[in-house]
Amino acid sequence: EADIYQTPRYLVIGTGKKITLECSQTMGHDKMYWYQQDPGMELHLIHYSYGVNSTEKGDLSSESTVSRIRTEHFPLTLESARPSHTSQYLCASSERQGLGNTIYFGEGSWLTVV
Amino acid sequence: GENVEQHPSTLSVQEGDSAVIKCTYSDSASNYFPWYKQELGKRPQLIIDIRSNVGEKKDQRIAVTLNKTAKHFSLHITETQPEDSAVYFCAGSNFGNEKLTFGTGTRLTIIP
Repeated sequence: EADIYQTPRYLVIGTGKKITLECSQTMGHDKMYWYQQDPGMELHLIHYSYGVNSTEKGDLSSESTVSRIRTEHFPLTLESARPSHTSQYLCASSERQGLGNTIYFGEGSWLTVV
Repeated sequence: GENVEQHPSTLSVQEGDSAVIKCTYSDSASNYFPWYKQELGKRPQLIIDIRSNVGEKKDQRIAVTLNKTAKHFSLHITETQPEDSAVYFCAGSNFGNEKLTFGTGTRLTIIP
């Protein structure tokens, strides 16, 4: 199984604060993703990257931004957090295996904005 | 783009009985269909996947079937156990796109 590390795992911050969620993977996967998920609900793709210096917006509009300067690192930043940003953020990476694109998830970062 | 629909949204099954979750997809070019299990408070984890060159795949108590003509695929869990309780997500993608589209999830509860 892929090793994907997310920090912080849990964070409570005040409205208007800037926050960066860190994500690193040690498997050398080219593709990385950020999903937003409320507990037990749908997985919404908000950002993805197919390699260094490549980033794309996902299916769900998000006020967050991402960068991909190194293959193993894919941080997500909120410049000014709001209560509506309260959610779980899941980082993921993938490698191609024959036909298909197996995705491995990190343990998630739970963000609460008060 | 791809659209994946998943049914039912919730499912309760007596322990020992079978559970079936169904998904349909819209893009006939899709050729990879994984299933993820997400236990309470944990990350989604891949439990089984199927590619378009086969119609069925089994792994112990879990099986997945694919009907390319009808554009639907299903997850079958036999002899259900309490640890099968979780949210299950289906997904689909095509080789060119490489971006998974997830279904809306099914909350499976196994009743002891």
